[in-house]
Amino acid sequence: QVHLVQSGPEVKKPGSSVKVSCKASGGTFSTNAINWVRQAPGQGLEWMGGIVPIFGRGRYAQKFQGRVAITADESTATSYMELNSLKSEDMAVYYCARLTPERTGGNITSHWGQGTLVTVSS
Amino acid sequence: DIVMTQIPLSLPVTPGEPASISCRSSQSLLDSADGKIYLDWYLQKPGQSPQLLIYTLSHRASGVPDRFSGSGSDTDFTLKISRVEAEDVGVYFCMQRIESYTFGQGTKLEIK
Repeated sequence: QVHLVQSGPEVKKPGSSVKVSCKASGGTFSTNAINWVRQAPGQGLEWMGGIVPIFGRGRYAQKFQGRVAITADESTATSYMELNSLKSEDMAVYYCARLTPERTGGNITSHWGQGTLVTVSS
Repeated sequence: DIVMTQIPLSLPVTPGEPASISCRSSQSLLDSADGKIYLDWYLQKPGQSPQLLIYTLSHRASGVPDRFSGSGSDTDFTLKISRVEAEDVGVYFCMQRIESYTFGQGTKLEIK
């Protein structure tokens, strides 16, 4: 069984940065892509980018290019998403997710973290 | 970028009645290399992370009741619930994953 556990809520000021972690357990960490998806209050889901840990290089949605960095530490099976130059519009719940359905223990599904609320306020 | 368009955005349903949600992509989601259509359906229940219902157009994820079904072509997709139950309340999203990932706007299903 795969579990993705994210770090706790953050309160940040405009212009600052936030770094959210996502620790995986179960399954294979290195070869499965970890993606980051955000959801502004009352809004839909928006893919920000992702990384396959064994390849080590993040891939990003054009909207976030230059402002987000997604990394992965294979030794701790943890992915990180850092978003810079925060604006009020960045206030959202940030999810890590393995979006490709995978078979683990006889079950086929995708896996999501519990979400991390990032509040941006002066 | 591939744009996903869902209708309706709001869907009130009487328990026991069927429900249907449509989703359309701006480009084909058919991968000619393997013949699969990379369209998934998710349900996000209130206060929870999204949960996978259907993957590659028509395959139910593990644990998903068989009242949920997915169908469609390479650009037009439908999620059907044969008989809605109270636990089906939430927001339904379609998602393409043939070229990065994009989501539909979401359809909020509520019980009448």
